[in-house]
Amino acid sequence: EAGVTQFPSHSVIEKGQTVTLRCDPISGHDNLYWYRRVMGKEIKFLLHFVKESKQDESGMPNNRFLAERTGGTYSTLKVQPAELEDSGVYFCASSPWVTGYGYTFGSGTRLTVV
Amino acid sequence: AQSVTQLGSHVSVSEGALVLLRCNYSSSVPPYLFWYVQYPNQGLQLLLKYTSAATLVKGINGFEAEFKKSETSFHLTKPSAHMSDAAEYFCAVSVIGTSYGKLTFGQGTILTVHP
Repeated sequence: EAGVTQFPSHSVIEKGQTVTLRCDPISGHDNLYWYRRVMGKEIKFLLHFVKESKQDESGMPNNRFLAERTGGTYSTLKVQPAELEDSGVYFCASSPWVTGYGYTFGSGTRLTVV
Repeated sequence: AQSVTQLGSHVSVSEGALVLLRCNYSSSVPPYLFWYVQYPNQGLQLLLKYTSAATLVKGINGFEAEFKKSETSFHLTKPSAHMSDAAEYFCAVSVIGTSYGKLTFGQGTILTVHP
């Protein structure tokens, strides 16, 4: 089966611009997670979708970040307007159920804001 | 709330030597524990997981980890390092029932293997 796909793999944008990251989970996986790793820091949870509903968005840094999952399939994470501190690697992961047994991660999108 | 501490941001070993990557956790309820590995330019790959069954857990590529509740530790070991083990390793904890599978990660440990 295809894995979790994220694109773009890299994005360089200027401060103040808008960027949209996309994640395609494994087909049939209802649970989709977004994580972020800022350089030098640990990987941190951003939010969790169950199908198209936001189960937990406690990790979203501020209202410049907007995540959607229309139809319960792929998800997008939009940053508008981007700030320098938004630079980092954004990971997406998916799982067929919520068991805490671990899930499959994508390769990540490296976002650089200059 | 749970937390994870990985002791040592960089670990260097010689090929064939023992690999020991340290992880301590803090959790108010019984945790699920994980080790993930990230090879250069790749995503996070699950190495192994502890989910309240056997305390000694075997994973892929010859790695294993032992859950020690009294020490709140979940150290990762491999008897003999291989050059292909060079990567960044992450310990993570999850608590079911309150956080819907959300993972809390440690800071990561970069493993370097010398010939």
